[in-house]
Amino acid sequence: EVQLVESGGGLVHPGGSLRLSCTASGFTVSSTYMTWVRQAPGKGLEWVSVIYTRGNTYYSGSVKGRFTISRDSSKNTVFLQMNSLRGEDTAVYYCATARVTPGYYQFDYWGQGTLVTVSS
Amino acid sequence: SYELTQPPSVSVSPGQTASITCSGDKLGDKYACWYQQKPGQSPVLVIYQNSKRPSGIPERFSGSSSGNTATLTISGTQAMDEADYYCQAWDSTVVFGGGTKLTVL
Repeated sequence: EVQLVESGGGLVHPGGSLRLSCTASGFTVSSTYMTWVRQAPGKGLEWVSVIYTRGNTYYSGSVKGRFTISRDSSKNTVFLQMNSLRGEDTAVYYCATARVTPGYYQFDYWGQGTLVTVSS
Repeated sequence: SYELTQPPSVSVSPGQTASITCSGDKLGDKYACWYQQKPGQSPVLVIYQNSKRPSGIPERFSGSSSGNTATLTISGTQAMDEADYYCQAWDSTVVFGGGTKLTVL
Protein backbone atom coordinates (compact mmCIF):
# COMPACT_ATOMS: atom_id res chain seq x y z
CA GLU A 1 0.00 0.00 0.00
CA VAL A 2 1.30 3.43 -0.99
CA GLN A 3 1.66 5.84 1.91
CA LEU A 4 3.10 9.32 2.08
CA VAL A 5 3.71 11.06 5.39
CA GLU A 6 4.74 14.70 5.45
CA SER A 7 6.40 16.38 8.40
CA GLY A 8 8.39 19.47 9.24
CA GLY A 9 5.73 22.14 9.04
CA GLY A 10 5.31 24.83 11.64
CA LEU A 11 5.47 28.53 12.39
CA VAL A 12 8.37 30.48 10.90
CA HIS A 13 9.15 34.17 10.69
CA PRO A 14 9.28 35.96 7.34
CA GLY A 15 12.69 35.48 5.80
CA GLY A 16 13.20 32.24 7.69
CA SER A 17 13.75 28.69 6.49
CA LEU A 18 12.04 25.35 6.93
CA ARG A 19 12.63 21.86 5.57
CA LEU A 20 9.69 19.61 4.86
CA SER A 21 10.00 15.84 4.64
CA CYS A 22 7.84 13.31 2.85
CA THR A 23 8.52 9.72 3.86
CA ALA A 24 7.16 7.11 1.50
CA SER A 25 6.24 3.48 1.94
CA GLY A 26 4.96 0.91 -0.50
CA PHE A 27 7.20 2.16 -3.32
CA THR A 28 10.65 3.63 -3.97
CA VAL A 29 10.89 7.42 -4.29
CA SER A 30 13.92 7.22 -6.55
CA SER A 31 11.84 5.25 -9.09
CA THR A 32 8.90 7.64 -9.00
CA TYR A 33 8.31 11.23 -9.95
CA MET A 34 7.61 13.10 -6.73
CA THR A 35 6.00 16.48 -6.36
CA TRP A 36 4.91 19.10 -3.83
CA VAL A 37 1.59 20.91 -4.11
CA ARG A 38 0.40 23.55 -1.66
CA GLN A 39 -2.92 25.01 -0.62
CA ALA A 40 -3.21 28.34 1.12
CA PRO A 41 -5.96 28.53 3.77
CA GLY A 42 -9.35 28.56 2.07
CA LYS A 43 -7.76 28.65 -1.38
CA GLY A 44 -7.15 26.30 -4.26
CA LEU A 45 -4.29 23.98 -5.16
CA GLU A 46 -0.97 25.33 -6.40
CA TRP A 47 1.82 23.20 -7.83
CA VAL A 48 5.22 23.90 -6.25
CA SER A 49 7.94 21.54 -7.44
CA VAL A 50 8.77 18.13 -8.94
CA ILE A 51 11.77 15.83 -8.93
CA TYR A 52 12.12 13.36 -11.77
CA THR A 53 13.47 9.85 -11.48
CA ARG A 54 16.64 11.02 -13.24
CA GLY A 55 17.01 13.76 -10.63
CA ASN A 56 15.88 16.71 -12.75
CA THR A 57 14.07 19.30 -10.67
CA TYR A 58 11.52 21.93 -11.67
CA TYR A 59 9.77 24.70 -9.78
CA SER A 60 6.87 27.09 -10.08
CA GLY A 61 7.79 30.68 -10.77
CA SER A 62 6.62 31.75 -7.33
CA VAL A 63 9.19 29.59 -5.49
CA LYS A 64 12.04 29.25 -7.97
CA GLY A 65 15.31 30.33 -6.42
CA ARG A 66 13.96 30.00 -2.88
CA PHE A 67 12.82 26.36 -2.62
CA THR A 68 14.82 23.22 -3.34
CA ILE A 69 13.43 19.72 -3.80
CA SER A 70 15.64 16.72 -3.15
CA ARG A 71 15.46 13.09 -2.10
CA ASP A 72 17.33 10.60 0.05
CA SER A 73 16.94 7.11 -1.35
CA SER A 74 18.35 5.49 1.78
CA LYS A 75 15.50 7.04 3.78
CA ASN A 76 12.96 6.77 0.96
CA THR A 77 12.17 10.40 1.64
CA VAL A 78 11.68 13.52 -0.42
CA PHE A 79 12.47 16.95 0.98
CA LEU A 80 11.46 20.52 0.28
CA GLN A 81 13.94 23.08 1.57
CA MET A 82 12.21 26.42 1.81
CA ASN A 83 14.27 29.58 2.24
CA SER A 84 13.42 33.28 2.31
CA LEU A 85 9.88 32.45 3.33
CA ARG A 86 7.11 34.99 2.80
CA GLY A 87 3.60 35.37 4.14
CA GLU A 88 2.20 34.14 0.84
CA ASP A 89 3.99 30.83 1.37
CA THR A 90 1.60 30.06 4.23
CA ALA A 91 -0.20 26.88 3.18
CA VAL A 92 -0.71 23.20 3.69
CA TYR A 93 2.01 21.47 1.73
CA TYR A 94 1.16 18.13 0.19
CA CYS A 95 3.58 15.58 -1.13
CA ALA A 96 2.28 13.48 -4.02
CA THR A 97 3.43 10.89 -6.53
CA ALA A 98 3.36 12.09 -10.11
CA ARG A 99 2.94 10.34 -13.40
CA VAL A 100 4.70 12.39 -16.06
CA THR A 101 4.84 12.19 -19.83
CA PRO A 102 5.65 14.98 -22.29
CA GLY A 103 2.94 17.59 -21.85
CA TYR A 104 1.15 15.73 -19.12
CA TYR A 105 1.19 15.39 -15.35
CA GLN A 106 -1.13 13.56 -13.01
CA PHE A 107 -0.89 13.18 -9.26
CA ASP A 108 -1.92 9.74 -8.10
CA TYR A 109 -1.25 9.47 -4.37
CA TRP A 110 -1.22 12.30 -1.86
CA GLY A 111 -0.01 12.62 1.70
CA GLN A 112 -2.04 14.17 4.49
CA GLY A 113 -0.22 17.49 4.25
CA THR A 114 1.78 19.60 6.67
CA LEU A 115 0.92 23.20 7.57
CA VAL A 116 3.48 25.95 7.13
CA THR A 117 2.66 29.31 8.67
CA VAL A 118 4.86 32.29 7.89
CA SER A 119 4.17 35.10 10.32
CA SER A 120 5.95 37.47 12.63
CA SER B 1 0.32 32.30 -18.37
CA TYR B 2 -2.17 29.54 -18.95
CA GLU B 3 -5.38 29.60 -16.93
CA LEU B 4 -8.09 27.06 -16.18
CA THR B 5 -11.47 28.50 -15.25
CA GLN B 6 -14.07 26.64 -13.19
CA PRO B 7 -17.42 27.83 -11.83
CA PRO B 8 -17.05 28.57 -8.10
CA SER B 9 -20.06 26.47 -7.20
CA VAL B 10 -22.46 23.89 -8.59
CA SER B 11 -25.56 22.56 -6.88
CA VAL B 12 -27.31 19.28 -7.59
CA SER B 13 -30.14 17.27 -6.08
CA PRO B 14 -29.38 13.76 -4.84
CA GLY B 15 -29.70 11.22 -7.62
CA GLN B 16 -29.35 13.82 -10.36
CA THR B 17 -26.42 14.47 -12.69
CA ALA B 18 -23.82 17.09 -11.83
CA SER B 19 -21.57 18.63 -14.46
CA ILE B 20 -18.51 20.67 -13.59
CA THR B 21 -16.71 22.48 -16.38
CA CYS B 22 -13.11 23.55 -16.76
CA SER B 23 -12.23 26.01 -19.50
CA GLY B 24 -8.87 26.83 -20.98
CA ASP B 25 -7.43 27.81 -24.33
CA LYS B 26 -7.39 24.71 -26.55
CA LEU B 27 -7.81 22.53 -23.46
CA GLY B 28 -9.18 19.79 -25.67
CA ASP B 29 -5.71 19.44 -27.20
CA LYS B 30 -4.28 18.62 -23.78
CA TYR B 31 -4.97 15.98 -21.16
CA ALA B 32 -6.94 17.04 -18.10
CA CYS B 33 -7.24 15.47 -14.67
CA TRP B 34 -9.81 15.97 -11.95
CA TYR B 35 -9.34 15.82 -8.19
CA GLN B 36 -11.90 15.59 -5.42
CA GLN B 37 -11.17 17.19 -2.06
CA LYS B 38 -13.48 16.81 0.91
CA PRO B 39 -13.20 19.19 3.89
CA GLY B 40 -10.10 18.53 5.95
CA GLN B 41 -8.86 15.83 3.58
CA SER B 42 -6.21 15.52 0.90
CA PRO B 43 -7.13 15.63 -2.79
CA VAL B 44 -8.02 12.38 -4.53
CA LEU B 45 -7.55 11.76 -8.26
CA VAL B 46 -10.95 10.86 -9.73
CA ILE B 47 -10.33 11.27 -13.48
CA TYR B 48 -7.10 11.23 -15.48
CA GLN B 49 -6.29 11.66 -19.16
CA ASN B 50 -9.66 13.39 -19.65
CA SER B 51 -11.88 10.36 -19.14
CA LYS B 52 -10.14 7.50 -17.34
CA ARG B 53 -11.07 6.43 -13.82
CA PRO B 54 -8.45 5.24 -11.35
CA SER B 55 -9.07 1.98 -9.57
CA GLY B 56 -11.55 2.40 -6.75
CA ILE B 57 -13.35 5.44 -8.19
CA PRO B 58 -17.08 4.77 -8.67
CA GLU B 59 -18.42 4.44 -12.21
CA ARG B 60 -20.73 7.41 -11.65
CA PHE B 61 -17.68 9.64 -12.18
CA SER B 62 -16.86 10.31 -15.83
CA GLY B 63 -14.95 12.87 -17.81
CA SER B 64 -14.86 14.32 -21.29
CA SER B 65 -13.02 17.04 -23.14
CA SER B 66 -13.51 18.94 -26.37
CA GLY B 67 -12.57 22.32 -27.74
CA ASN B 68 -11.77 24.63 -24.85
CA THR B 69 -13.66 22.71 -22.18
CA ALA B 70 -13.17 19.64 -20.03
CA THR B 71 -16.16 18.35 -18.10
CA LEU B 72 -16.47 16.20 -15.01
CA THR B 73 -19.83 14.47 -14.81
CA ILE B 74 -21.21 12.74 -11.75
CA SER B 75 -24.25 10.60 -12.50
CA GLY B 76 -26.65 9.69 -9.72
CA THR B 77 -24.92 12.14 -7.39
CA GLN B 78 -24.77 11.06 -3.76
CA ALA B 79 -24.41 13.11 -0.60
CA MET B 80 -20.89 11.71 -0.20
CA ASP B 81 -19.89 13.42 -3.47
CA GLU B 82 -20.22 16.85 -1.87
CA ALA B 83 -16.70 18.25 -2.11
CA ASP B 84 -14.42 20.67 -3.91
CA TYR B 85 -13.34 19.57 -7.37
CA TYR B 86 -10.23 20.79 -9.17
CA CYS B 87 -9.23 20.33 -12.78
CA GLN B 88 -5.55 20.24 -13.72
CA ALA B 89 -3.58 20.30 -16.95
CA TRP B 90 -0.10 21.13 -18.17
CA ASP B 91 1.01 24.07 -20.27
CA SER B 92 4.70 24.71 -19.76
CA THR B 93 3.96 24.15 -16.10
CA VAL B 94 1.33 22.42 -14.00
CA VAL B 95 -1.90 24.41 -13.84
CA PHE B 96 -4.87 23.89 -11.53
CA GLY B 97 -8.30 25.37 -11.93
CA GLY B 98 -9.64 27.50 -9.11
CA GLY B 99 -11.91 24.74 -7.86
CA THR B 100 -15.66 24.16 -7.81
CA LYS B 101 -17.64 23.53 -4.65
CA LEU B 102 -20.24 20.87 -5.36
CA THR B 103 -23.25 21.05 -3.06
CA VAL B 104 -25.71 18.16 -2.95
CA LEU B 105 -29.06 19.39 -1.65
